[in-house]
Formats: sequence, structure tokens, C-alpha cells
Amino acid sequence: DIQMTQSPSSVSASVGDRVTISCRASQGITNWLAWYQQKPGKAPKLLIYAASTLQSGVPSRFSGSGSGTDFTLTISSLHPEDFATYYCQQVIRFPWTFGRGTKVEIK
Amino acid sequence: EVQLVESGGGLVQPGRSLRLSCAGSGFTFDDYDMHWVRQVPGKGLEWVSGITWNGGTIDYADSVKGRFTISRDNAKNSLYLQINSLRAEDTAFYYCARCSIRSKDAFDVWGQGTMVTVSS
Repeated sequence: DIQMTQSPSSVSASVGDRVTISCRASQGITNWLAWYQQKPGKAPKLLIYAASTLQSGVPSRFSGSGSGTDFTLTISSLHPEDFATYYCQQVIRFPWTFGRGTKVEIK
Repeated sequence: EVQLVESGGGLVQPGRSLRLSCAGSGFTFDDYDMHWVRQVPGKGLEWVSGITWNGGTIDYADSVKGRFTISRDNAKNSLYLQINSLRAEDTAFYYCARCSIRSKDAFDVWGQGTMVTVSS
């Protein structure tokens, strides 16, 4: 199975901060990677697919980059509604594994 | 409005069975592959099972292989998950999710989830 390692597991940040979350795959996945945002009590929401393509309706402060094994999700300027948990997922090979998540908390 | 609605969760004794359903609306159901993802409360996401648009290809996580069966009825715009021999570790929220080729196989629509609690 392809293991997805996210870091950090949590980050404390303030409104307006730039936040970067990393995701590393245990083997190359080209750009078959998605990022999701999940708020407490809610279903996950797709933010980015194909490693860097913004899902329709997602604010442009979110961006994704990377290819192969190393990927990054960046929030350029944190808004109050961005405090949530973020997950990466590889979709190149079954089983489609998720990272363990990164919780973005209010500092 | 594009929507997925799960049902069928509840409190079940260990060893019993349960069938989860997921009803799709607002889109052409048989255009999409579908998946189940589960989440233990307070923990991360775990992919459980997926099925192609016509049911031709099915796959399962190793943790559920042999006990879970995914199926779909495109005439009813519905996805199912049959769970047998339930264990305490199956306690989780179960989400159905739509897989879109347009989003390079990412899960672009999710249901609200249904909670399964396995306890005596």
C-alpha cells in the first residue's frame, strides 16, 4: 500500500498567516493527489485535485504544488473559516490512502 | 442540487450485520464511480471500498475484505455497503463519496455520513 505522511500533525496560526502543509507519498504518484478540508461534524470537502488544480468554488488563497512523492498545500492568508483539519489522499492505486490529517488551530 | 444522502446506520451488536445505503440526486448517478470512506470519531479518514460506474470493478481495504460488500443499483441511483460480522473497530461514521474523472478521481461530492456503533 502507498503510505501518505502528512506534516505537521497540527499547526497553530493566526488570521492572516501563511500556512504550509506537507504530504509525502511512500512511492511516486505523479500528480494523483487530492487535498480535502474537514470541519468538525461535517463531511470532508474537496479543495484541490491533480495536486495543484483548485476545485470550483474554492478560494484562490488555497494552492497546491508538488509531483512524484512530495506535495504541499498552502493557505496564503488564513481566514477564520479556514480553521479545520486537512487531509491529502493518493488516487493512483488501490487502496486509496489518506494522510493522517493536519489540524489548523487558532493561535 | 447535487447530493448524496446516507442511511442505515445505528447501534448494532457485535457479530450482527448492517446494510448502509447512499442515495444520489441531482446528477447522472451511473456516470460516476462511487466509494465508501469511514472515520472513527476524532480520528482520520479511512478509505473502505470503491465500485466503478457499472459495478465491473470493486475493491476493498484489507481491513474489511471478506466482511464488507459494496454494490450499486443505478436504476435507483443508490449505492450500498453490506457489513457482516460487525466488530467494535467498525464503529465509525460512514461516508459515501462520488469519484469524478473530471477531478482526476478525487472525491468531489460527499454525503453527510451515517454513524455505525458496534456495541453489546
